[in-house]
Amino acid sequence: AQSVTQLGSHVSVSEGALVLLRCNYSSSVPPYLFWYVQYPNQGLQLLLKYTTGATLVKGINGFEAEFKKSETSFHLTKPSAHMSDAAEYFCAVGDTGFQKLVFGTGTRLLVSP
Amino acid sequence: NAGVTQTPKFQVLKTGQSMTLQCAQDMNHNSMYWYRQDPGMGLRLIYYSASEGTTDKGEVPNGYNVSRLNKREFSLRLESAAPSQTSVYFCASSESPVRGTDTQYFGPGTRLTVL
Repeated sequence: AQSVTQLGSHVSVSEGALVLLRCNYSSSVPPYLFWYVQYPNQGLQLLLKYTTGATLVKGINGFEAEFKKSETSFHLTKPSAHMSDAAEYFCAVGDTGFQKLVFGTGTRLLVSP
Repeated sequence: NAGVTQTPKFQVLKTGQSMTLQCAQDMNHNSMYWYRQDPGMGLRLIYYSASEGTTDKGEVPNGYNVSRLNKREFSLRLESAAPSQTSVYFCASSESPVRGTDTQYFGPGTRLTVL
């Protein structure tokens, strides 16, 4: 069965600092990997996804993630945090069959001035 | 394009009451999903509909029923609400029933409290 582990339920950074949100997955088949963001009192929206091909994936709002098969990881990064990045971030894994996603438990990003 | 819409936005029920959460999408998507979100547990799939006319159980289906009314609409019913069903409920849709790469598009959520 597929699963996703997000390390750290809360991550705090200062504005302008590097953002690193960790995601490790478990999958018996080549995975499809997603990062979603949830702003307060809103639904989730897609930040980026990895399907096949280039392992460094660029998303919206300056975020990117790198698929590392050897480490079973798909960490999310952004070089310089902005106050507007404060939100909850979810990593999710799908497979080549029907698209049922398995979500991680989420990481809340706090950005201080 | 409204995307995925959900009604109501908020609801308070007493234990044992019933209610239906409504979801509609205007993107001509084939697949629709219902999730619940609880603190520290992420999103868990309740039911999904791969295409019009089909529904299947997800990870946490007990206490819920669903209806895929047509291609646009997918409702979630609580027949006899329990406090354990206090949660935020999200509806989502995606284009294809078979492509695992498809993005899921989420509605704004329904915040349900069961007293």
